[in-house]
Amino acid sequence: DAKTTQPPSMDCAEGRAANLPCNHSTISGNEYVYWYRQIHSQGPQYIIHGLKNNETNEMASLIITEDRKSSTLILPHATLRDTAVYYCIVRVAPGGTSYGKLTFGQGTILTVHP
Amino acid sequence: ETGVTQSPTHLIKTRGQQVTLRCSSQSGHNTVSWYQQALGQGPQFIFQYYREEENGRGNFPPRFSGLQFPNYSSELNVNALELDDSALYLCASSSMDRNNSPLHFGNGTRLTVT
Repeated sequence: DAKTTQPPSMDCAEGRAANLPCNHSTISGNEYVYWYRQIHSQGPQYIIHGLKNNETNEMASLIITEDRKSSTLILPHATLRDTAVYYCIVRVAPGGTSYGKLTFGQGTILTVHP
Repeated sequence: ETGVTQSPTHLIKTRGQQVTLRCSSQSGHNTVSWYQQALGQGPQFIFQYYREEENGRGNFPPRFSGLQFPNYSSELNVNALELDDSALYLCASSSMDRNNSPLHFGNGTRLTVT
């Protein structure tokens, strides 16, 4: 799986959009970008994933650049409960022995303040 | 829809002992993965189970073993516990039958080895 690079920490004001960047310059054509977050003392929570098109769900939006070398996770109206570690993960289309494997990096600690 | 549940939530063991951790998959999921998360680190993949067989493994020694049952629940067994085994152990489930089904995590078991 391709390596990802994220800033170690970011701050965001409550009610504002949080934009979390991720670089994955060695991504291959069959690799997806996944985002998870982990709130203290809980398991990682799936947020969103995409291949090359921008994606949106009830939690967030994922913007992937045209060359697919970077992406941005957008939380449109951050709340205090969005304070967490956010992980950007690149993985091949699941199948076989790699299906259950996600390679986590250090992630970005997002702090939402009042 | 019932999420991934793990038991116990906390456990204290002595070096050299053996431990069994349990996981119930999310409804409709047939694949289970286990992860170890040391303090301040991202989760590390241990192994995955599909159709009651281990079919993918990370860089963990054989004293880490598991089982998957016909109802897709799973156990993680660790023999000859070492102090470095102290960590949060996470279980994740997904469906091998649905392409790109994301992994859904439980909240983990906090194991302390003294």
